[in-house]
Amino acid sequence: DIQMTQSPASLSASLGETVTIECRASEDIYNGLAWYQQKPGKSPQLLIYNANSLHTGVPSRFSGSGSGTQYSLKINSLQSEDVASYFCQQYYDYPWTFGGGTKLELK
Amino acid sequence: EVQLQQSGAELGKPGTSVKLSCKVSGYNIRNTYMHWVNQRPGKGLEWIGRIDPANGNTIYAEKFKSKATLTADTSSNTAYMQLSQLKSDDTAIYFCAAMVIPGGYVMDAWGQGASVTVSS
Repeated sequence: DIQMTQSPASLSASLGETVTIECRASEDIYNGLAWYQQKPGKSPQLLIYNANSLHTGVPSRFSGSGSGTQYSLKINSLQSEDVASYFCQQYYDYPWTFGGGTKLELK
Repeated sequence: EVQLQQSGAELGKPGTSVKLSCKVSGYNIRNTYMHWVNQRPGKGLEWIGRIDPANGNTIYAEKFKSKATLTADTSSNTAYMQLSQLKSDDTAIYFCAAMVIPGGYVMDAWGQGASVTVSS
């Protein structure tokens, strides 16, 4: 199975700040990577797919980048509504696997 | 608009089974794979498996091969997951998800989740 290592596990940032979350795959996943946002009590919502494609309706302050085994999610100009948990997930190969998640809080 | 409506919360006794449903509206499930994901209390997301409703083909994560059974009814546009031999460790929220983006291969439409609690 492809292991997804996500960091940091938690993150505290101020409004307007830029934050970056990293995800490392145990092998090359050829950009088969998605990022999800999950708020408490809600289902995950797709933000980014194919490593860098912004899903419809997602604010442009979210962006994804990376290749091979290293990927990142960047949030520019942090807003209060961005407080949530974020998960990366590879869909290059079965079984699909998720990173452990990053809990983003306001400082 | 694509919507996935999951069945309600379940309370199951250890050793019994529960069957969850996921009814899709706004999209024909024959044109997608239906995935299931769980989330244990306070934990991350875990992929269980997926079914191709067009032919019934399934793929499971190894640890769920004897735990989950995925089926689909294309006539009612509904996917199902049965969890068998329930243990306390199966207590979790279970989500169904579909791939709707044209040419996409990612879970972009999700159900609201169904809580399963295993307790005697």
